[in-house]
Amino acid sequence: QKEVEQNSGPLSVPEGAIASLNCTYSDRVSQSFFWYRQYSGKSPELIMSIYSNGDKEDGRFTAQLNKASQYVSLLIRDSQPSDSATYLCAVSKDQFYFGTGTSLTVIP
Amino acid sequence: DVKVTQSSRYLVKRTGEKVFLECVQDMDHENMFWYRQDPGLGLRLIYFSYDVKMKEKGDIPEGYSVSREKKERFSLILESASTNQTSMYLCASSLAGGLTDTQYFGPGTRLTVL
Repeated sequence: QKEVEQNSGPLSVPEGAIASLNCTYSDRVSQSFFWYRQYSGKSPELIMSIYSNGDKEDGRFTAQLNKASQYVSLLIRDSQPSDSATYLCAVSKDQFYFGTGTSLTVIP
Repeated sequence: DVKVTQSSRYLVKRTGEKVFLECVQDMDHENMFWYRQDPGLGLRLIYFSYDVKMKEKGDIPEGYSVSREKKERFSLILESASTNQTSMYLCASSLAGGLTDTQYFGPGTRLTVL
């Protein structure tokens, strides 16, 4: 069983819509949770981190963590074409474990 | 701002060559990491280091070695490059607090082994 699972997509949403990205993890002792954005040919850049249950908002981005159900999600409000990228979920316990990423396309 | 730099963006080498990939961070981070990223496989940890001269194997260390002689610099070495080592190599660093702190990535080196 993989440590972190993401739907690979691709996910397409129209400009201005809400994009919802989901991630599940296998180990309940996981401590910290991260979302990275990766543009094609570039390296991952951190969007948000979340450590406790509930929602965390940063601008158009909201991360949601539910430890009981072992999932973490990322909502992108008012999606823009510049949000088109692959989004990586990462979970840390003894080390970082990355999902394989979800490809998002925002259609103008 | 954290800055992680890597010595090359693109590199082409021949099978059997010794390859050095270098990573430098300027934020006095304790931990440094080397990953490779392949389509469908995601990011896989090769080696990491939590202190100068300390190194630990990650999930896929075979065919690789590392060196950390100075805190800011972490080198990945392919002793004898093979075609299956063609990949994107990403260096990352994190401040401290064990190995679970936020990781910041360099721009990556796309290595092709012919």
